[in-house]
Amino acid sequence: DIQMTQSPSTLSASIGDRVTITCRASQSISGWLAWYQQKPGKAPKLLIYKASNLEIGGPSRFSGSGSGTEFTLTISSLQPDDFATYYCQQYKSPPWTFGQGTKVEVK
Amino acid sequence: QVQLQESGPGLVKPSETLSLTCVVSDYSMTGDFFWGWVRQPPGKGLEWIGSIQHSGSTYYNPSLKSRVTMSVDTSKNQFSLNLSSATAADTAVYYCARLTWTRYFDHWGQGVLVTVSS
Repeated sequence: DIQMTQSPSTLSASIGDRVTITCRASQSISGWLAWYQQKPGKAPKLLIYKASNLEIGGPSRFSGSGSGTEFTLTISSLQPDDFATYYCQQYKSPPWTFGQGTKVEVK
Repeated sequence: QVQLQESGPGLVKPSETLSLTCVVSDYSMTGDFFWGWVRQPPGKGLEWIGSIQHSGSTYYNPSLKSRVTMSVDTSKNQFSLNLSSATAADTAVYYCARLTWTRYFDHWGQGVLVTVSS
């Protein structure tokens, strides 16, 4: 199985901050990576697919980059609605696996 | 906009079979997507359980393969999950979701909490 490791596990930030979350794969996944946002008690929501493609309707302050084994999700200017947990997911080869999550909390 | 809704018992006894159904609305399951289940134990991360196509073709996570069965009923536009020999470790919120042909999850149900306890 391909292991996905996110860092940090928790991130404390303030409104307006630029936030970066890293996701590393245990082997190359090319660009087959998605990012999801999950709020407490809610289902995950697709943000980014194929490493850097913003899902339709997604805020433009979210961007993704990377290829191979290292990927980043960036929030250019953190907004109140962005406090949540973020997960990466590889879909290069089954079983499809997720990172352990990064919680973005209020500083 | 496709919608998915899970249903099933919220409480399952140990050693019994956990059974859930997902009804898909506003999209025909015979289209070019896959359908799957993901679970999330309380306070923990996400685990893909398995996926199914409208043809009935399935792929299961090897870690659960021996206990998982998925089926589809295109006449009712729904698909189902059976997880046998349930234990407390299977206690989780279970989500059904649509997968694109490349296998990321673009639409999710709201989730249903299933507790395995006597």
